Amino acid sequence: AQSVTQLDSQVPVFEEAPVELRCNYSSSVSVYLFWYVQYPNQGLQLLLKYLSGSTLVESINGFEAEFNKSQTSFHLRKPSVHISDTAEYFCAVGFFSGGYNKLIFGAGTRLAVHP
Amino acid sequence: NAGVTQTPKFQVLKTGQSMTLQCAQDMNHNSMYWYRQDPGMGLRLIYYSASEGTTDKGEVPNGYNVSRLNKREFSLRLESAAPSQTSVYFCASSDLAGGVYEQYFGPGTRLTVT
Repeated sequence: AQSVTQLDSQVPVFEEAPVELRCNYSSSVSVYLFWYVQYPNQGLQLLLKYLSGSTLVESINGFEAEFNKSQTSFHLRKPSVHISDTAEYFCAVGFFSGGYNKLIFGAGTRLAVHP
Repeated sequence: NAGVTQTPKFQVLKTGQSMTLQCAQDMNHNSMYWYRQDPGMGLRLIYYSASEGTTDKGEVPNGYNVSRLNKREFSLRLESAAPSQTSVYFCASSDLAGGVYEQYFGPGTRLTVT
């Protein structure tokens, strides 16, 4: 079975500080890894994904995540956050089962950026 | 391209009432999904449809039914709403054949059952 653990439910941080949102997963099959972001009162948007190849993946707005197979982790980092990064972030593992691609989500980490 | 659309955006029901949540996608995706989001629990899969004409139960299907009306539309029905179904409901779509590994989400329906 597959599962995702987001180790922090809330992360407060000051503007321009670095941040790391932690995600660990367990799976008995090969998985793909995703980070989704949800801004207040909106749906989920894909932030970045790891399918194969380079273990470091980046988003267009400065976030990056590194796939670590030995530690089964996919932590999300940003070197300098903005107020506009305040949102909830969801880590998810994807895998193929029964003819479709399934996602298992973590419980989410609420990032609060303070001035 | 509207992506994934959902109606209504908000709904308040009394216990025992029924309603249907509508979802449509214009990306020609084969697979569609319904999730519910509750605080501290992430998103949990209610039902999914791998392709037109097929539907299957997800993690939390009790109290819900679905219809895959055509390739574009996938509806979720609550036959007799209960307060435990108060949640935010998201529809999503994806496509294996097109090499689309991620799911695309709609804006959500916020449902309150009193």
